[in-house]
Amino acid sequence: DAGVIQSPRHEVTEMGQEVTLRCKPISGHNSLFWYRQTMMRGLELLIYFNNNVPIDDSGMPEDRFSAKMPNASFSTLKIQPSEPRDSAVYFCASSFQGRGRTNEKLFFGSGTQLSVL
Amino acid sequence: SQQGEEDPQALSIQEGENATMNCSYKTSINNLQWYRQNSGRGLVHLILIRSNEREKHSGRLRVTLDTSKKSSSLLITASRAADTASYFCAKIQGAQKLVFGQGTRLTINP
Repeated sequence: DAGVIQSPRHEVTEMGQEVTLRCKPISGHNSLFWYRQTMMRGLELLIYFNNNVPIDDSGMPEDRFSAKMPNASFSTLKIQPSEPRDSAVYFCASSFQGRGRTNEKLFFGSGTQLSVL
Repeated sequence: SQQGEEDPQALSIQEGENATMNCSYKTSINNLQWYRQNSGRGLVHLILIRSNEREKHSGRLRVTLDTSKKSSSLLITASRAADTASYFCAKIQGAQKLVFGQGTRLTINP
């Protein structure tokens, strides 16, 4: 298995531009999580999906952020318009959450290093 | 908000020594998980310990859980340079939200 795949690995953009981050979870996993990591705030959970349905997006900073999961093998996190304070490493993670086996371990992608100038 | 924090924030030891990191949490848990993050990489799962377990081992790793004190510890024995990384504990907030602490930065000096 190739693991969780994120793209791009690095993204440098100018303030005001739209940024789209992509994630392919591990095949067979039914839960997907987007995290953001910064030195100041550590790892923050932005949103998570279960069976392609957004369950909790309370961590999404503001309306500039949106996430979709059109099918079980693909998710996007979009920032429009981007701002310098969005600069961070964005991680996607997936897991299998089954009946009676909730909160099982997460498998993380390598992350997308986003720099907004 | 995050449930508890790791302690210490940073730890530097000599190769061969044991490293102990602690994690506290505030509300009841189903399980608690430990992850490692090497610089510039994603997090890697190390151990999951359930609320009805007190101790768990995996190779040179030993995790303990004290639900009465709402705390857990990760012990790495006979440390190696390759163990240099950040270590995070993760707790559940709500149904499925896995929340991470700020982590412990571990440096193993050769």
